[in-house]
Amino acid sequence: EAGVVQSPRYKIIEKKQPVAFWCNPISGHNTLYWYLQNLGQGPELLIRYENEEAVDDSQLPKDRFSAERLKGVDSTLKIQPAELGDSAVYLCASSVGQGGSEAFFGQGTRLTVV
Amino acid sequence: GENVEQHPSTLSVQEGDSAVIKCTYSDSASNYFPWYKQELGKRPQLIIDIRSNVGEKKDQRIAVTLNKTAKHFSLHITETQPEDSAVYFCAASRGSGYALNFGKGTSLLVTP
Repeated sequence: EAGVVQSPRYKIIEKKQPVAFWCNPISGHNTLYWYLQNLGQGPELLIRYENEEAVDDSQLPKDRFSAERLKGVDSTLKIQPAELGDSAVYLCASSVGQGGSEAFFGQGTRLTVV
Repeated sequence: GENVEQHPSTLSVQEGDSAVIKCTYSDSASNYFPWYKQELGKRPQLIIDIRSNVGEKKDQRIAVTLNKTAKHFSLHITETQPEDSAVYFCAASRGSGYALNFGKGTSLLVTP
């Protein structure tokens, strides 16, 4: 069984440009998370989906970040425009049920904004 | 919201020694406490977890203890091996309907 798949693995963009990340969760996993991981830090939640509904997006900087999970499967996270401080690893994770069960992480997308 | 503190930030041990990493949490409603291992450039992977109805759980060389009264939990690795070298993250969650809140991580180095 394939794990959580993210693409691209790496992305370098100039500041003020848009960027999008894609995540395909494990089949059958209703819960999908996007986390931000800065160097030397633990993952920080950006948004959590239960099926297609965003149930926790309180930490998502909505002025420049947006996310969607059409049909409750794949998800995309977008930044527009990107800033230098957005350079980080963006991790997607999924779990079978609601929070409190094992979350499986993807490999992440390492974003560098120059 | 939940605040998870993790100590130490770095830990160096000799191969064969034990390693202990400690975490505290602030939300008394948290009831699920996983530990993740992250090797350089790789994804975090669950190594063990514990729920609030259990005080201790063991899986071969890894054990986790939980003290709900004091709101702290610990990871214990015995007979450490060089391949245990990685960053370890603790996390806490209220369970159903809530996401994981992570500590800042502990960089463990096991020297031969």
